[in-house]
Amino acid sequence: GAVVSQHPSWVICKSGTSVKIECRSLDFQATTMFWYRQFPKQSLMLMATSNEGSKATYEQGVEKDKFLINHASLTLSTLTVTSAHPEDSSFYICSAIETSGRAGYEQYFGPGTRLTVT
Amino acid sequence: GENVEQHPSTLSVQEGDSAVIKCTYSDSASNYFPWYKQELGKRPQLIIDIRSNVGEKKDQRIAVTLNKTAKHFSLHITETQPEDSAVYFCAPRVGGYNKLIFGAGTRLAVHP
Repeated sequence: GAVVSQHPSWVICKSGTSVKIECRSLDFQATTMFWYRQFPKQSLMLMATSNEGSKATYEQGVEKDKFLINHASLTLSTLTVTSAHPEDSSFYICSAIETSGRAGYEQYFGPGTRLTVT
Repeated sequence: GENVEQHPSTLSVQEGDSAVIKCTYSDSASNYFPWYKQELGKRPQLIIDIRSNVGEKKDQRIAVTLNKTAKHFSLHITETQPEDSAVYFCAPRVGGYNKLIFGAGTRLAVHP
């Protein structure tokens, strides 16, 4: 089956620093990847759609200058949280759609990255 | 934008009973309707999905029914087991895009 990995699985950083999270599709190519944020006991909130070779499309209310997304290849998207603050502490999850279309609309989810900002 | 509502928010059943969770959406162009199960600290896991040209789909103890006219779809779990305890999310696909919009979730507790 299609596998998506994320790195790191958890990270603790100090307020004001930046953190980069990687999302990789291990056995398929993904033109489109998605980034979600999930606070404790809440739903997944879509932050942005990441398209290989082009700028990400951000959802309303998500600061594009704070959450930098780069999708430089068909297997890698990165999310950088710039100048992180305690309120950015959350569970960040990525997902990917297989470019070939074999899986239709199914999104494959990464295991998530737990970010704690102190 | 797409509005998604999921009910109930919590559901408690005895082992062996059935559980039904309903999801209502607003985008008439939605054409893909998945249900996800998420255990604490883990990634969402696709348990069943349905396309807009199908009214019902079943996979062992799990089924999904779709009413496109009324714009809602439901998850049915029969013969529930304690390991079914988790949070369940509906996530209809936004028409014309590949993105999914997640419902608020239903916390299912199955008591032995």
